[in-house]
Amino acid sequence: GENVEQHPSTLSVQEGDSAVIKCTYSDSASNYFPWYKQELGKRPQLIIDIRSNVGEKKDQRIAVTLNKTAKHFSLHITETQPEDSAVYFCAARGSGYSTLTFGKGTMLLVSP
Amino acid sequence: KAGVTQTPRYLIKTRGQQVTLSCSPISGHRSVSWYQQTPGQGLQFLFEYFSETQRNKGNFPGRFSGRQFSNSRSEMNVSTLELGDSALYLCASSLTGPGNTEAFFGQGTRLTVV
Repeated sequence: GENVEQHPSTLSVQEGDSAVIKCTYSDSASNYFPWYKQELGKRPQLIIDIRSNVGEKKDQRIAVTLNKTAKHFSLHITETQPEDSAVYFCAARGSGYSTLTFGKGTMLLVSP
Repeated sequence: KAGVTQTPRYLIKTRGQQVTLSCSPISGHRSVSWYQQTPGQGLQFLFEYFSETQRNKGNFPGRFSGRQFSNSRSEMNVSTLELGDSALYLCASSLTGPGNTEAFFGQGTRLTVV
């Protein structure tokens, strides 16, 4: 089955800095890669996703890049703000499956 | 529209007991997936139901089971509880499947086994 590795497990940045979280996946047939944000005590919420026919997608301060050859994808957050502090999960969906396999999460701490 | 609702929010059970958790998906969603979340382990997939049929299953022991009703509401049951079953159990609903259409999560049920 699919295996997703996520790094780093913890990331501390100063407000205004950029943050990058990286994930690798094992199933070369995977074709859908969402990112979820989970604030303390709250439910995970989708913040951005990308499909395998696209190399990059942006939404304001958030962007996701996908390298199918290397089987890795990354989340980029620019101009970080304290409210960006949360746990971020990447996930991958393998072709033919309707399940998502999640990484173990990255705790992002943005200091004012 | 109403979001995904999980009940109860908190549970405390004793080892050896069994427990049933409930998940009501967003109206019109036919797929419900269940995940176990523990510190440092992320979200581990338990199973997915679509139109009352289990479509996928993760690598959990047979003590973990589930079902889905005709109104798409789903229940998850854990029998013979162990201390290691303490976790946040999340369900997610989507129109046709979590990889095809966006998956929306409930707030989870926090299970503590003592």
